[in-house]
Amino acid sequence: QSALTQPPSASGSPGQSVTISCTGTSSDVGGYNYVSWYQHHPGKAPKLMIYEVSKRPSGVPDRFSGSKSGNTASLTVSGLQAEDEADYYCSSYAGNNNLKIFGGGTKLTVL
Amino acid sequence: QLQLQESGPGLVKPSETLSLTCSVSGGSITISRYLWGWIRQPPGKGLQWIGSISHSGSTYYNPSLKSRITISVDKSKIQFSLNLSSVTAADTAVYFCVRSYGDYGGVWFDPWGQGTLVTVSA
Repeated sequence: QSALTQPPSASGSPGQSVTISCTGTSSDVGGYNYVSWYQHHPGKAPKLMIYEVSKRPSGVPDRFSGSKSGNTASLTVSGLQAEDEADYYCSSYAGNNNLKIFGGGTKLTVL
Repeated sequence: QLQLQESGPGLVKPSETLSLTCSVSGGSITISRYLWGWIRQPPGKGLQWIGSISHSGSTYYNPSLKSRITISVDKSKIQFSLNLSSVTAADTAVYFCVRSYGDYGGVWFDPWGQGTLVTVSA
């Protein structure tokens, strides 16, 4: 099973919105509503930001939102803040013996 | 607040077995809705799901690693472990322990440990 495809980098100025895409296939992203997103500041523990495509865990700001269309999922960060600068990874259930796969990660820079 | 902490050797010789333990604090390891698992990240690469285990001992492994993996739970010590046998340089990675939720052996992961770097080298 191939990894999900994410752009290597994204950027925006404080206060702006940025969207990160995560492209898979009908066997993973497109086939199940089990896409999740993680924020990772290097050296720290990754943090769950979105699960089941668009649900936000308690404590995650509503500036973070998720969506899906066909085989592509998206994470949108609105009202960018300096602390949002991090690596972001998407993940999806991929069938095939309970396999979960990840994207290669997107480095978000707040200009 | 639940916290996870990985521990184990930072250096393993090729062909030997990599063994890591994840200590759980601030919560129970026996709640049925949760699973406990491992994810790794080779240097400069993306994340790879390794596998997970339920409170009852049911295991879910990445098919590409299944023949070399064992994940177990020690409820008395409130910890779970990963054994990866016959390691090669390709197994060099930061290994994260995670709590996972949902069907299919857990489909999202929260929280994560900080990760521990394991290098495979003679």
